[in-house]
Amino acid sequence: EIVMTQTPLSSPVTLGQPASISCRSSQSLVHSDGNTYLSWLQQRPGQSPRLLIYKISNRFSGVPDRFSGSGAGTDFTLKISRVEAEDVGVYYCMQATQFPHLYTFGQGTKLEIK
Amino acid sequence: QVQLVQSGAEVKKPGASVKVSCKTSGYTFTIYHIHWVRQAPGQSLEWMGWVSAGNGDTKYSQRFQGRVTLTRDTSANTAYMELSSLRSEDTAVYYCAIPAPGTGGFGYWGQGTLVTVSS
Repeated sequence: EIVMTQTPLSSPVTLGQPASISCRSSQSLVHSDGNTYLSWLQQRPGQSPRLLIYKISNRFSGVPDRFSGSGAGTDFTLKISRVEAEDVGVYYCMQATQFPHLYTFGQGTKLEIK
Repeated sequence: QVQLVQSGAEVKKPGASVKVSCKTSGYTFTIYHIHWVRQAPGQSLEWMGWVSAGNGDTKYSQRFQGRVTLTRDTSANTAYMELSSLRSEDTAVYYCAIPAPGTGGFGYWGQGTLVTVSS
């Protein structure tokens, strides 16, 4: 099983300032088809998770461009260029490279406003 | 638009079973696998398995193998998750989700169903 490790687990940020979350996988997420199935999800308080970024760096429909993803192999990063109040919540990375057999999530990073 | 609407909260005793439904709309039901993910209080997300809405094939996480059964009813555009031999550690919100095409990510989620296991 691929283990996903996120840092930090908590991130206090000032409104308007950038934020960055890291995610490391225990093995390469490059699939045999050449894609890297690493996603980022946002879960606002009391809500269901929401897909933000897929295949490392692609924004899902309706996601603001202040969200961006980068990385390769085993190391990935989610960046928010200027944090807004609505960005408060928990962010998860998820790997689907082992599909259709197994999907795993990081522990989550709680983003809060200072 | 794609919608996944789940059944309401449940309270069960240890050893009992629970069955949660996920009614879908806004797309051709048989195209996608329907996945189930759970989240214990204050914890991360945990993938449980998927059911093919097209042919009913299933794949389960080893952690739940033998205790979870995923089914679907194509006439009702609805998927089901049944978890047996419940214990207190199964207290969680259970979500259904479907992949966004070509992304490898879960683009659409149900609202979640809280299952509480308590004597």
